[in-house]
Amino acid sequence: RKEVEQDPGPFNVPEGATVAFNCTYSNSASQSFFWYRQDCRKEPKLLMSVYSSGNEDGRFTAQLNRASQYISLLIRDSKLSDSATYLCVVNPGLYAGNNRKLIWGLGTSLAVNP
Amino acid sequence: NAGVTQTPKFQVLKTGQSMTLQCAQDMNHNSMYWYRQDPGMGLRLIYYSASEGTTDKGEVPNGYNVSRLNKREFSLRLESAAPSQTSVYFCASSEQGMGTSGPNEQFFGPGTRLTVL
Repeated sequence: RKEVEQDPGPFNVPEGATVAFNCTYSNSASQSFFWYRQDCRKEPKLLMSVYSSGNEDGRFTAQLNRASQYISLLIRDSKLSDSATYLCVVNPGLYAGNNRKLIWGLGTSLAVNP
Repeated sequence: NAGVTQTPKFQVLKTGQSMTLQCAQDMNHNSMYWYRQDPGMGLRLIYYSASEGTTDKGEVPNGYNVSRLNKREFSLRLESAAPSQTSVYFCASSEQGMGTSGPNEQFFGPGTRLTVL
């Protein structure tokens, strides 16, 4: 099992749609989780941090399910400007064998169409 | 605040040439990182610096060296460039280091697109 897995997509949705992405992680001791957004040929930018049972920021909601080891990102009322790649990132914390790096998913591509 | 800045934005090298990628942050962050991003591979950590004065290897350090010049600056050097090092290079910083429970969200620079012929 990969350390962090995401459905690569692409997800093609119309404006105004609700879309959800899932991300699974393998290390049950992982401490914190993030969603980043990356536009084409640009740097990743932090979208949301997910520290406990989840959080909401406007149209975006992130959920964490530790028992099943996955996090999700829900985008409501999609806008054209939401078109991007969404990267799931896991902080595995301190454990033997960890060379102190964040674990990055390969990303889920979203295209919002007019 | 400029955040994280990187120079140059683009670079073309011939095999065997050397160059240094510069990175600076003005957020007073303790930790800094160098990543490379290749199609289908995701972000891979090359080196990181948990705090001023320390550097450690990441996932793919071979062919690279780094210098944490001061708290603001973290440079990446390619001593003898190879075509396999053609990639997009991102520098990032965070308030606290990875593996900690502190604020460790990473903030990225705009990237350097490097081509090695």
